[in-house]
Amino acid sequence: DTAVSQTPKYLVTQMGNDKSIKCEQNLGHDTMYWYKQDSKKFLKIMFSYNNKELIINETVPNRFSPKSPDKAHLNLHINSLELGDSAVYFCASSPRERGTDTQYFGPGTRLTVL
Amino acid sequence: GDSVTQMEGPVTLSEEAFLTINCTYTATGYPSLFWYVQYPGEGLQLLLKATKADDKGSNKGFEATYRKETTSFHLEKGSVQVSDSAVYFCALTLSGTYKYIFGTGTRLKVLA
Repeated sequence: DTAVSQTPKYLVTQMGNDKSIKCEQNLGHDTMYWYKQDSKKFLKIMFSYNNKELIINETVPNRFSPKSPDKAHLNLHINSLELGDSAVYFCASSPRERGTDTQYFGPGTRLTVL
Repeated sequence: GDSVTQMEGPVTLSEEAFLTINCTYTATGYPSLFWYVQYPGEGLQLLLKATKADDKGSNKGFEATYRKETTSFHLEKGSVQVSDSAVYFCALTLSGTYKYIFGTGTRLKVLA
């Protein structure tokens, strides 16, 4: 069984378009995250939700809007895509216990903006 | 602020060589420390962790010891294999927060 799944795996689109990436976890975790990984493999946290409530919102352009319809899902919508948005986006989840949490990552979505 | 510093890569080794990847951290409070591994085309997965000073995490022949006095969590393996080729990330999280802080990653390439 897939623990954290993301769709699509690859996304190629034109500048200015709007796109969404979906994430689902079947681990029963309370907390979910979105990360952006650039071409040099640097991993940067974007958002975190706990029980559908936004708890971390890093300095991300407001073109990026996360949505959590329930505890098991955290989607990422991106408006007016720019070339610099090209990256691999990872969803992750972790259990309720804070401070010692292991993060469980999805396989990633490679976004290419042309 | 809180941060994690890893050695620059790439690290290239021959099979059966000894591996060390250095990781040091800066944190207010008492962090938990982690090593994650990312194989090509995949997401990160936990390799090992330690939650308090002097704890040793170990998995798949890899080890790391939480050293509070030197604020370090260096990753070691006695004999690497080609299948260990991947990017390794050191990370910390602080009790009472939801935030994870990752290092920049170190690419390891093991040659047969």
